[in-house]
Parts: sequence; structure tokens; C-alpha cells
Amino acid sequence: DIQMTQSPSSLPASLGERVTISCRASQGISNNLNWYQQKPDGTIKPLIYYTSNLQSGVPSRFSGSGSGTDYSLTISSLEPEDFAMYYCQQDASFPRTFGGGTKLELK
Amino acid sequence: QVQLKESGPGLVQPSETLSLTCTVSGFSLTSYSVSWVRQPSGKGPEWMGRMWYDGDTAYNSALKSRLSISRDTSKNQVFLKMNSLQTDDTGTYYCTRDGGFDYWGQGVMVTVSS
Repeated sequence: DIQMTQSPSSLPASLGERVTISCRASQGISNNLNWYQQKPDGTIKPLIYYTSNLQSGVPSRFSGSGSGTDYSLTISSLEPEDFAMYYCQQDASFPRTFGGGTKLELK
Repeated sequence: QVQLKESGPGLVQPSETLSLTCTVSGFSLTSYSVSWVRQPSGKGPEWMGRMWYDGDTAYNSALKSRLSISRDTSKNQVFLKMNSLQTDDTGTYYCTRDGGFDYWGQGVMVTVSS
């Protein structure tokens, strides 16, 4: 199985700040990397697919990049609704696997 | 619009079988695959298995011996059955449209307890 490691696990930040969340795969995943946002009520919202493509309706302040084993999600200027959990997930092979999550919290 | 909704019992006895239903709308089960994903409290999600658009299935090897996924295309429903439940199976269970997990249900909380 491909292991997905996210860092940091917790990220205190302020409104308007630029933040980056990292995700490392245990082996190359050829850009088959997705990002999700989860709110406290459990709602999961897809953000980015195939490393850098925004899902429909996702604000342009979200962006993704990476290659090989290392990927990142960047939020250019934090809005109040961005404080949530974020997960990466690989689509390269079965079983699909997720990172352990990053909690983005208000500083 | 695309919607998925999970349903099933909130409480299951240890060693019993969990049965969940995912009812979809806005797309066809013969055109899109659907996966089940679960999430223990405070942990990351875990992919459980997939019902392919052609009726085939794929399972997480960690759960394969206990898990069965099926469907009824006439009712737009995908089913999950998992036997021999233990307390560490407690969590929220989601169904998601596969092909990038682009749509998710709201999830159903399942507690395994006597």
C-alpha cells in the first residue's frame, strides 16, 4: 500500500495569511493526488484533483502543486471558512489511501 | 444535481453485521463507480472498496474477508455489508462517486457497542 504522510498535523494561522500543507507519498504517484477539505460537521468537500486542478466552484485562492512523491496545497489568503481539516489522497493505485490530515486553525 | 446519501443503523452489536445503503441521484451507476470510505473519529479516512460502473468490485485487502459491496441499478443504490464488527469499526461511513471522489454523501455515524 502507498503511505501518505501529511505535514504539519496542526497549522495555526491568521486571516489573510498564506499557508502551505505538504503531502508525501511512500512511492511515486505520477501526480495522481487529490485534496479534500473536511468541516467539523463531517462534510467533505473535494478541492483539487490530479495535483493542481481545481474542482468546480473552488475559489482560486486554493492551488496545488508537486510531482513524484511530494505534493502541496497552498491557500493564498486565508478566509474564515478555510479553517478546517485537510486531507490528501492518492489515486495512483489500489487501495486508495489518504493522509492523516492537517488541522488548519485560527491563531 | 449529483447527490449521494448513506443510510443504515447507527448502532451495531459487536460480532454483528453492518448493512449500509448509498442512494444516488443525478448520475447513473452504470456510468460511474461508487466507493465506500470510512473514518474513525479523529483519524484520516480509509478507502474500503468500490463498485465499478460495470458491476465489478474492488476491496481494500485489509477488509476483504469481511466486506461485500453490491448494487441495485434500478433503485440507484449501492450496498455495503461488513461482518464480524468490532469496536474499532466505529466511525463515520461515506459513499463517494469515484473517478476522483468528486461528490460525497453526508456520511452516517456507526457505533459498534453492546
